[in-house]
Amino acid sequence: DIQMTQSPSSLSASVGDRVTITCRASRSISNYLNWYQQKPGKAPKLLMYDATSLQSGVPPRFSGSESGTDFTLTISSLQPEDFATYYCQQSYSPPITFGQGTRLEIK
Amino acid sequence: EVQLVESGGGLIQPGGSLRLSCAASGFIVSDKYMSWVRQAPGKGLEWVSIIYAGGTTYYADSVKGRFTISRDSSKNTVYLQMNSLRVEDTAVYYCARQGHQAYNFEVWGQGTTVTASS
Repeated sequence: DIQMTQSPSSLSASVGDRVTITCRASRSISNYLNWYQQKPGKAPKLLMYDATSLQSGVPPRFSGSESGTDFTLTISSLQPEDFATYYCQQSYSPPITFGQGTRLEIK
Repeated sequence: EVQLVESGGGLIQPGGSLRLSCAASGFIVSDKYMSWVRQAPGKGLEWVSIIYAGGTTYYADSVKGRFTISRDSSKNTVYLQMNSLRVEDTAVYYCARQGHQAYNFEVWGQGTTVTASS
């Protein structure tokens, strides 16, 4: 199985800050990496797919990058609605696996 | 409008069975890869099972042999039959539809809660 290691597990930041979340795959997954945002009591929402492609309707302050088995999600200028939990997920092959999540909190 | 609506969750004793339903609208379930993803209280997301457009199925090791995913094209609905339920199966269960890739999730239902407890 492909393990996804996400860091940090939690993060405190302020509105307007630039924030980066990292995800590392245990082996090559090409660019089959997705990012989700989840708010309390709600279903996850797809933000990024193919590591760097922005899902329709998602603000351009969200971006993704990849370098080998390392992937990052960057929020260029935090907005109040961005405080949530973020998950990475590999879509290379089943079993499909998620990172453990990063909880982004208001400082 | 593309939508997924789950139902069938509830309180069940360990060892019992439950069937979850995921009714789809706005697209045809048999044309897409459909998955179940669960989230235990206070925990992260865990993929449970997938059914391909062609009918092939896969399961997480944690549920293999106990859970069965299926679909009914006439009802445009996906199911998850859960047998021999364990306390650790307690979670919110989400139905999800593939996006641009076979194995990512672009459309989600609102979730249905399963509680396995005596």
